[in-house]
Amino acid sequence: NAGVTQTPKFQVLKTGQSMTLQCAQDMNHNSMYWYRQDPGMGLRLIYYSASEGTTDKGEVPNGYNVSRLNKREFSLRLESAAPSQTSVYFCASKPGTVNTGELFFGEGSRLTVL
Amino acid sequence: AQSVTQLGSHVSVSEGALVLLRCNYSSSVPPYLFWYVQYPNQGLQLLLKYTSAATLVKGINGFEAEFKKSETSFHLTKPSAHMSDAAEYFCAVSDSGGSYIPTFGRGTSLIVHP
Repeated sequence: NAGVTQTPKFQVLKTGQSMTLQCAQDMNHNSMYWYRQDPGMGLRLIYYSASEGTTDKGEVPNGYNVSRLNKREFSLRLESAAPSQTSVYFCASKPGTVNTGELFFGEGSRLTVL
Repeated sequence: AQSVTQLGSHVSVSEGALVLLRCNYSSSVPPYLFWYVQYPNQGLQLLLKYTSAATLVKGINGFEAEFKKSETSFHLTKPSAHMSDAAEYFCAVSDSGGSYIPTFGRGTSLIVHP
């Protein structure tokens, strides 16, 4: 029972490099989310996808792009990485938008930008 | 607009002592409230949630929280701390009148001393 799977778990980049964080869920959830976690800042929403085919900006979208590839997969892309993007990134999913249910989280992807 | 304030970035207790983690929220409509726990190097998992049913909510691992509308609070308690409770705890709010996207507090690190 995998739940939400994120890859890679760890990544080190140089400033200016690009990369994509992958996320897949096997719970048939409609909504998917990308958060970043920084010390003392809690979780901040980067982008979300309420349903397949739609994406919207969250609180901190600058420097990121997303793709909802299908119902299962939601990727986060850094086109030109900056040291300020050093963080732990979490993907999460939820059954629907109008839903009081909780988020289901992946284990996180730890990104360091040098 | 919605927001969450967690008082105290760190809380230290002795094993067997009462655990009290504070959360105050701001929401223009009736809120849905959540507590999540994050163990080291893991993603977040749900402890408990309030969705307008009983104001005293019981969760996993002996935790409970009480919704107090007059105080706009949703504090998390546990009568007797265990060493295994050491973790980061996040309070989150999502409003019933919008997109149900939760906003997280900055987190409280619970330290349990033997």
